[in-house]
Amino acid sequence: GAVVSQHPSRVICKSGTSVKIECRSLDFQATTMFWYRQFPKQSLMLMATSNEGSKATYEQGVEKDKFLINHASLTLSTLTVTSAHPEDSSFYICSANSEGVRTDTQYFGPGTRLTVL
Amino acid sequence: EDKVVQSPLSLVVHEGDTVTLNCSYEVTNFRSLLWYKQEKKAPTFLFMLTSSGIEKKSGRLSSILDKKELFSILNITATQTGDSAVYLCAVDDDYKLSFGAGTTVTVRA
Repeated sequence: GAVVSQHPSRVICKSGTSVKIECRSLDFQATTMFWYRQFPKQSLMLMATSNEGSKATYEQGVEKDKFLINHASLTLSTLTVTSAHPEDSSFYICSANSEGVRTDTQYFGPGTRLTVL
Repeated sequence: EDKVVQSPLSLVVHEGDTVTLNCSYEVTNFRSLLWYKQEKKAPTFLFMLTSSGIEKKSGRLSSILDKKELFSILNITATQTGDSAVYLCAVDDDYKLSFGAGTTVTVRA
């Protein structure tokens, strides 16, 4: 089956620093990648949708200047949390699919646990 | 605002029991309802439902959708400890997934 990896799996940083999270599709080309955030005991919340070679589409309430998304190739998308603050601490999960935006074929990465001190 | 509500939030059962998980939804442009299993990390896909009344089955898991009453149920029969996980319901609202908060199922030996 399709495999999506994320790196790092866990990161702890100081307030004010920027953190980059990578999402890679290992055995397929991902035309669309999604970034989600999950707070403890809560739902996954879609942050943004990105298509290779174009700007990401952000959900309402998500600051695009704070959460920079780059989908530079068909196998890699990055999420950069700029000037991170403790309230950005969360579990960030990406997903990818290779058939446009079909949601039944989204494959999820293992997630990245971000802790901002 | 779109909403996906799961119940119960958590439950504890013993091996061999049957569990029924509920998901109700209210979205603008319904396309499908999906169930996922999340064990510590990435959610894994279980079912996608698009039509009312047609049961989807996979081993001991089954699910059905009622588009008139706007809900779905996920059943797990003869539960095993490996079924312990968070079960997430998500609704495809115009190609975007809205997730419920999940139901935490704990199966005790």
